[in-house]
Amino acid sequence: GAVVSQHPSWVICKSGTSVKIECRSLDFQATTMFWYRQFPKQSLMLMATSNEGSKATYEQGVEKDKFLINHASLTLSTLTVTSAHPEDSSFYICSAPGTLLIREQFFGPGTRLTVL
Amino acid sequence: DAKTTQPTSMDCAEGRAANLPCNHSTISGNEYVYWYRQIHSQGPQYIIHGLKNNETNEMASLIITEDRKSSTLILPHATLRDTAVYYCIAGEYNDYKLSFGAGTTVTVRA
Repeated sequence: GAVVSQHPSWVICKSGTSVKIECRSLDFQATTMFWYRQFPKQSLMLMATSNEGSKATYEQGVEKDKFLINHASLTLSTLTVTSAHPEDSSFYICSAPGTLLIREQFFGPGTRLTVL
Repeated sequence: DAKTTQPTSMDCAEGRAANLPCNHSTISGNEYVYWYRQIHSQGPQYIIHGLKNNETNEMASLIITEDRKSSTLILPHATLRDTAVYYCIAGEYNDYKLSFGAGTTVTVRA
């Protein structure tokens, strides 16, 4: 099946700094990608939809100025957590839809962000 | 998207079939049932989906009741590597957004 990668797999940063997370579709093109956040012992929460060539659409309650999304190409979406704080510590996961025929979503392995 | 209800957790024995129930009594006619699983600290993995017919693939079988108000995911021969949180999601075919509930934590025991 198709592969989605994320980089880095984990990151530790100081409060107030910005962190960029990359999501790549390795063997297919993705005009749309999704970003999720998962706190410990909780389920995944959709944060935003990343659209190639246009602005991302954010779910209610997600600050677009804090979580900057750029879909630079058909295989790359980036999520930048600006001025990170300890409450932003979480597991960030991206996904990309598969073929119209199968309708499965391919998820990246996730990025563990810890803000000190 | 229709709300789904799943048991919080279940255990099953290695080598035996694992039957995971899901209730989706408010599902609409054009909503599919999708199953994903998430092994600890990894991204979710697609398992199977269906509309009204039973479906089978190399990973699992999906049995949907005739009234479509519930379904069962069957892992035919559970292994220790099947230990994961299993999510049942109802969604329209054209909507790629997935709304994850709490899921069922399945523990396969030797």
